[in-house]
Amino acid sequence: DIQMTQSPSSLSASVGDRVTISCRASQGVSNYLAWYQQKPGKIPELLIYAASTLQSGVPSRFSGSGSGTDFTLTISSLQPEDVATYYCQKYNSAPPTFGQGTKVEIK
Amino acid sequence: QVQLQESGPGLVEPLQTLSLTCTVSGGSISSGRYYWSWIRQPAGKGLEWIGRIYTSGNTNYNPSLKSRVTISVDTSKNQFSLKLNSVTAADTAVYYCARGIAVAVTPKYYFDYWGQGTLVTVSS
Repeated sequence: DIQMTQSPSSLSASVGDRVTISCRASQGVSNYLAWYQQKPGKIPELLIYAASTLQSGVPSRFSGSGSGTDFTLTISSLQPEDVATYYCQKYNSAPPTFGQGTKVEIK
Repeated sequence: QVQLQESGPGLVEPLQTLSLTCTVSGGSISSGRYYWSWIRQPAGKGLEWIGRIYTSGNTNYNPSLKSRVTISVDTSKNQFSLKLNSVTAADTAVYYCARGIAVAVTPKYYFDYWGQGTLVTVSS
């Protein structure tokens, strides 16, 4: 099975900072990569699919990039409501595997 | 607006069978574009996909759980269900049902709608 590895596992940044989260696949997954946001005590919500397509209603400060094995989620200007754990998920083949998550906090 | 709601016992004894049902509203479970999945999350940990079912009844399971999992669908009730046999404390988690939206006519899908999740504790 393809493994998904996120880095860092956690980060702390100031409001307004640019934040980047990496997701690496152990084998190529083309652009079949999604990102989710899970706020504390809440359910996961889809942010991005097809590596870079923003889900409807998601603020434009979120963006995704990458293809193959290396992907990035960027928050252009961190807001207090972005405190959450972020997960990547590959879906090029079964099983649809998630990364271990990156916890984002406000400094 | 599509909504998913999990239901079932919150406490299961060790070695028994965990049974959960997901009721879908606001859309038909028989739509051909969707794969209906179960995903779980132990407290403080990440997300683990358990398995999925298509409207035809075709299933696919996580190899790590395959020997213990059965997912079924009842299109007349717009529901799909999970059974996990021989549970242990390691199966204690929040269980989510989710809608997988497929890319074209392929079984490549990401999850656009999730249920609120239900905590299942395995304990005697």
